[in-house]
Amino acid sequence: GAVVSQHPSWVICKSGTSVKIECRSLDFQATTMFWYRQFPKQSLMLMATSNEGSKATYEQGVEKDKFLINHASLTLSTLTVTSAHPEDSSFYICSARDGLGQVNSPLHFGNGTRLTVT
Amino acid sequence: LAKTTQPISMDSYEGQEVNITCSHNNIATNDYITWYQQFPSQGPRFIIQGYKTKVTNEVASLFIPADRKSSTLSLPRVSLSDTAVYYCLVGAGGQNFVFGPGTRLSVLP
Repeated sequence: GAVVSQHPSWVICKSGTSVKIECRSLDFQATTMFWYRQFPKQSLMLMATSNEGSKATYEQGVEKDKFLINHASLTLSTLTVTSAHPEDSSFYICSARDGLGQVNSPLHFGNGTRLTVT
Repeated sequence: LAKTTQPISMDSYEGQEVNITCSHNNIATNDYITWYQQFPSQGPRFIIQGYKTKVTNEVASLFIPADRKSSTLSLPRVSLSDTAVYYCLVGAGGQNFVFGPGTRLSVLP
């Protein structure tokens, strides 16, 4: 089946530094990828939609200058948390859909990245 | 985007069948219904998807009535390892999917 690989699985960084998270579709091409954030005991919150070759679309309330998204190829999207602060500590999850698959092919999710900002 | 409503939590015992119902009253003609399972500190995992009537795979069944305003995920003979959060999502291809709070299933020995 379709696999989405997310790296790193966890990262600890100091306040003020930047962290990059990678999301790769291993066996399919994804023209669109989605980035979510999840706080403990809560549901996934969509942050942005990453479009290959164009600018990402951010959800209301998500700072595009703080959460930089790059989707440079059909198999890779990156999320960079810039100038991280402790309140950015969360579980970040990416997902993708097979762009060449059926129109309603399901989303496939990475295993998430646990970010802790100290 | 069709909004979904699910029970916040459910308890069951090992070996029982568990049915989780999701309401989606304003589902659109092109929308499909997809269920995901999420364990702590992992990304959601696809369980099953359907459009109408009944769909069955090796892990679950999905029942969708004719009006498609609800759907029921059926997990046969649950085990402790089925303890997880289950999400019902409704939408069409290309859409970004909005997650509801999901149903936290606890399977007890």
